Amino acid sequence: EPEVTQTPSHQVTQMGQEVILRCVPISNHLYFYWYRQILGQKVEFLVSFYNNEISEKSEIFDDQFSVERPDGSNFTLKIRSTKLEDSAMYFCASRPADLAEKLFFGSGTQLSVL
Amino acid sequence: KQEVTQIPAALSVPEGENLVLNCSFTDSAIYNLQWFRQDPGKGLTSLLLIQSSQREQTSGRLNASLDKSSGRSTLYIAASQPGDSATYLCAVRRTGANNLFFGTGTRLTVIP
Repeated sequence: EPEVTQTPSHQVTQMGQEVILRCVPISNHLYFYWYRQILGQKVEFLVSFYNNEISEKSEIFDDQFSVERPDGSNFTLKIRSTKLEDSAMYFCASRPADLAEKLFFGSGTQLSVL
Repeated sequence: KQEVTQIPAALSVPEGENLVLNCSFTDSAIYNLQWFRQDPGKGLTSLLLIQSSQREQTSGRLNASLDKSSGRSTLYIAASQPGDSATYLCAVRRTGANNLFFGTGTRLTVIP
């Protein structure tokens, strides 16, 4: 079965540093998402991306965050200047065009900001 | 704002038992509801998706029901096995929205 793949699985960074989290969505999917889960808390929506632009974002997704689809296969989340509170598991997800379809998640990147 | 609650937060059952996990949501204007499984330190695996027009969906030993008007969904697991041990999350997509609202999950332990 096709999978959403994320790299790296773990990322450790110093506060204030920039990080880029990478995702390869399922190839025929058209909608792409980033979610995050702080330890012990709910999975939270960050941003959705369609047709090479952000279609929706949450209040968490401030100016420190950006997303990009640099080529036909990769989807990235950049955090410009990481804060301690950015430590979380970040999940990429994708789905086909039909809103009735399931959302498929990657296995996540565990980001630790020291 | 949509709030999704799952009860109980944790559940421990002996192998072979049937069990029910509960999910409730505050805004009944939903497009669909999805149940996920999360293993420790891992991603989310989709189990079942119920559209707002449906009452239930079944996959193997799993059956999910939806009562949109009362804002509730249940996930029924028949003949539980130790391999079912995981955290189960429900998530709703509001009508007109593109994102999912997740519950806090139920951590299930099936004792051999």
